Amino acid sequence: EADIYQTPRYLVIGTGKKITLECSQTMGHDKMYWYQQDPGMELHLIHYSYGVNSTEKGDLSSESTVSRIRTEHFPLTLESARPSHTSQYLCASSGSGTVSNQPQHFGDGTRLSIL
Amino acid sequence: QQQVKQSPQSLIVQKGGIPIINCAYENTAFDYFPWYQQFPGKGPALLIAIRPDVSEKKEGRFTISFNKSAKQFSLHIMDSQPGDSATYFCAASKGAQKLVFGQGTRLTINP
Repeated sequence: EADIYQTPRYLVIGTGKKITLECSQTMGHDKMYWYQQDPGMELHLIHYSYGVNSTEKGDLSSESTVSRIRTEHFPLTLESARPSHTSQYLCASSGSGTVSNQPQHFGDGTRLSIL
Repeated sequence: QQQVKQSPQSLIVQKGGIPIINCAYENTAFDYFPWYQQFPGKGPALLIAIRPDVSEKKEGRFTISFNKSAKQFSLHIMDSQPGDSATYFCAASKGAQKLVFGQGTRLTINP
């Protein structure tokens, strides 16, 4: 069982608020990822990191930002939330080496609703 | 550009049937093809994966069939059960690069 945790699980908040979604993993994985997913729909990569102080934008443009100051922690921040940010956000991690040897482990997600 | 195309979008099968989910890819450099299973309220979990040097891989009731020349791979679920009802995602990657996911298939197994 993978140990990757996301908090909060659910968040309902008003427009204009600053939001930080937390993601932590206890596996010592170098690689971490953020995906945006409408429930049961396609996964869209929005950010990834291959190690401390390394972050890259994903395939889907996002107004969110990320940081990677510690190996185990990869928070995602929205400076000013808008209704268009309403979605589910999934965090994942994988170890070093080729992807085929190190599958991605996912957290259970944060379901975000912006009123 | 959608590099991995998955079909069907949704599928309903009776218990004991064999649902088949198909994926087609474009990048011939892909060398890793996993399938993920996602239940409502949960994150996707790795189900089974295959490399292009084999044509088939079985793990329990789950089988991946791989056709390198056609650039297609599929997931078969033998003796399907209502507990298999979930959303299934195929994916592909090249080496250590990030995964490219298909669009997902919502599978329902009726009792």
